[in-house]
Amino acid sequence: DVKVTQSSRYLVKRTGEKVFLECVQDMDHENMFWYRQDPGLGLRLIYFSYDVKMKEKGDIPEGYSVSREKKERFSLILESASTNQTSMYLCASSSFGEGEDGYTFGSGTRLTVV
Amino acid sequence: GENVEQHPSTLSVQEGDSAVIKCTYSDSASNYFPWYKQELGKRPQLIIDIRSNVGEKKDQRIAVTLNKTAKHFSLHITETQPEDSAVYFCAGGGSNFNKFYFGSGTKLNVKP
Repeated sequence: DVKVTQSSRYLVKRTGEKVFLECVQDMDHENMFWYRQDPGLGLRLIYFSYDVKMKEKGDIPEGYSVSREKKERFSLILESASTNQTSMYLCASSSFGEGEDGYTFGSGTRLTVV
Repeated sequence: GENVEQHPSTLSVQEGDSAVIKCTYSDSASNYFPWYKQELGKRPQLIIDIRSNVGEKKDQRIAVTLNKTAKHFSLHITETQPEDSAVYFCAGGGSNFNKFYFGSGTKLNVKP
């Protein structure tokens, strides 16, 4: 019963390409998040959204944008991919309020920019 | 914003021994502290969590303690088993749209 689905498991893109990473959740969660995971750095927040069409910058938003047109879908966009954006990208969702269940994560998208 | 630091970065124990992972946080407004386990190639999974109004919580072989005054919390795994081998992440936050800040992770290796 997969609850947070990321559209691609592995992705290889060329420098300068526009890249779309898609995330869909079926738990009716208000909050959705995009993190990147790099060895030794843990998970760093790129962007998050607490409602449809709402977005907030995280700690490392440079070079990224997001879109949330529907409650269940949160897209991460790399406007012009660069090699330093090679990473594992994790999407997560949570319900609004007390955060009783923490995050539910997607399986991740390993992006390689060549 | 919040800053969560996690130690050690790697931990190797013998099967049956205990393992302890420690984290500190900076924002006194943080009120929720989850721990995630990430096995190789898999998504992080919540294994235990603790709220700021609780000092300790146990779930079978796993326990988490929280010291609000000192702003640190720890994960304790007793009677470790090879299947406990994974990367463990602590996190803190929850006060701002349930936004969490993660530690850098601890790679636990349980030797049979």
